Parts: sequence; structure tokens; C-alpha cells
Amino acid sequence: EVQLVESGGDLVQPGGSLRLSCAASGFTFSDHYMDWVRQAPGKGLEWVGRTRNKPNGYTTEYAASVKGRFTISRDDSKNALYLQMNSLKTDDTAVYHCARGGGSSPYYMDVWGKGTTVTVSS
Amino acid sequence: DIQMTQSPSSLSASVGDRVTITCRASQGIGGWLAWYQQKPERAPKSLIYATSNLQSGVPSRFSGSGSGTDFTLTISSLQPEDFATYYCQQYGSYPLTFGGGTKVETK
Repeated sequence: EVQLVESGGDLVQPGGSLRLSCAASGFTFSDHYMDWVRQAPGKGLEWVGRTRNKPNGYTTEYAASVKGRFTISRDDSKNALYLQMNSLKTDDTAVYHCARGGGSSPYYMDVWGKGTTVTVSS
Repeated sequence: DIQMTQSPSSLSASVGDRVTITCRASQGIGGWLAWYQQKPERAPKSLIYATSNLQSGVPSRFSGSGSGTDFTLTISSLQPEDFATYYCQQYGSYPLTFGGGTKVETK
């Protein structure tokens, strides 16, 4: 079964840091682009960023709202995706989902995880 | 950035109704339009990609159409399990952007 499971969400103070993880199983993780998408309480979906696969240099793209503060990385040997979040703001409070890039380029998100909750508050 | 505008933001419908949700992009997106379904406390689920291609396992009562800047998701006969929030997304250019969502509620 194709599965994505996020972890690492927590309560953190403004200005703090947090690292989220996404464990992938049931597919060849290294083949795929991977995304992070978040959803603030009572709001819609917001794309956070993307990492490409090895043939595409593991390059990344970010939303303007997180660029310079968040970093996406991956470890294909562990089938794991990461989101390092620094200088957190209250506006970063959300459920964070990882998602798999599906189809052929350009890639939509064909498989999603249930998410992990990040709360930024003093 | 490409803005995605969905309408309506919510609608009330009954089981068996035909439901149509529209999504308008602020510029052409080359047909790179996806639709997702989300239920409370659940992961979003892919329904349609590239405007009209049905994701594997998705019932055929769901269909997508459109071109240029205007796109539509249609549910031909609403079923009890279809009450949810639906999002469109353009994935042809960065930043990837979602519509604001359409909540389908029971009448």
C-alpha cells in the first residue's frame, strides 16, 4: 500500500524552529518529486514547497511566504522527506501534509499523508 | 503568481443531484489543472488531473472539463460519501496554487 506518514508536529514559540518528517512506503520514493502543503485552521490548502528527484538535481521550489525560512530535504536511502522550519511565525500554524508528485511532468499530487500539526504560539 | 478562483464557496445539494463546481485561473495554465477532495480530519484525495483525467479508483460520476482559464468539476449524481470540500489546483507553474475550496453540504 502506498503510504505517507508525517511526524514531528509540536507547539513551538514564535521565532523557534521545528523539523517535520514524512515517511514513505509502498513505492519507489527516489523516483518522485515530493511536496509539502499546509492548511491553517479553518482555511484552504497552501502549497509550501517541492523537492525534485535525483535526476533533476534534488532542486527545490518554495512559496514566497516561507522562502528563506523553510528548507525541504530528502533522504532517498531512508525513504524520508523533511521540512526544516526556522524563524517560525504565528501564521505558520497549520496542519502540514506531505504529498507525492504523480503522473508525468508537470506533476500534480497523487498521494497525500494525513498531516502533522504545528502550532506556533507563546 | 496564478490566482485560482473557485465558485461557489459552498453549496447545498441532495443525494442524486448533479453538482458543478467552477474554477477560474488568472491566466492560461495549459490544462494543468487538478481537483482534490477533502473530508474533515482526513488527507486530501486526488480526483482528477490534467483537467479531465480520472485518478485511478475514483468513481466515474466525477468528471472534469475546461480549457484556457475556465475549468469545471461535475459530480453527475451526488452520493452520501461525496459531501466534502473540493479544491482545484494549477500545477503548471510555480508557485503551485490552489483555489479557495468549495464545501458541498447536505440540503
